[in-house]
Amino acid sequence: QLQLQESGPGLVKPSETLSLTCTVSGYSISSSNYDWGWVRQPPGKGLEWIGSVSNSGSTYYNPTLKSRVSITVDTSKNQFSLKLSSVTAADTAVYYCARQEGVGKLDYWGLGTLVTVSS
Amino acid sequence: DIQMTQSPSTLSASVGDRVTITCRASQSLSIWLAWYQQKPGKAPKLLISKASTLESGVPSRFSGSGSGTEFTLTISGLQPDDFATYYCQQYNSFATFGQGTKLEIK
Repeated sequence: QLQLQESGPGLVKPSETLSLTCTVSGYSISSSNYDWGWVRQPPGKGLEWIGSVSNSGSTYYNPTLKSRVSITVDTSKNQFSLKLSSVTAADTAVYYCARQEGVGKLDYWGLGTLVTVSS
Repeated sequence: DIQMTQSPSTLSASVGDRVTITCRASQSLSIWLAWYQQKPGKAPKLLISKASTLESGVPSRFSGSGSGTEFTLTISGLQPDDFATYYCQQYNSFATFGQGTKLEIK
């Protein structure tokens, strides 16, 4: 059974870099034709796609976040990671990792992790 | 960028009702649209992809239709478990979600 689990600091200071990792279990990232994506949801608000990475490292980013986002994959650890630089309070959100069919539907999701940006 | 507009933002209905949620795109998506259900404190759950393809395990009371710029999600015979927030997502060009429709008990 495929499972995804987000991990990383729950509190980040303004202007610093948010870093999260998603660990995939029950499925091999390296053997798949799927991409691996990140989605966020500010408290009480809707969903925003951040970007995705393939098992070969090809990336696709939301144009509105592209200048601040980096998504990488580590197939040896069956993990992929998100870095978001120069964060502000507006980046406070629950961050989800998910399996994505190309830049398409997201069919398996992690439980999500709340990241608060505050000094 | 493709903008997605859902309507209504909130919908009140009763168990057994048939409800429809609409999603409009700012440009044609062909059939590249998905629908998700989200309950409080939980991750979204994929219900429908390619506008009308029901995902495995999703009850048949859920159905999707549409193409181009207008799409609908219909739930026939609402069950207590269906009261949640629903999102559409386009994936014709990157990925964009609608703002959500909260389905409430009347």
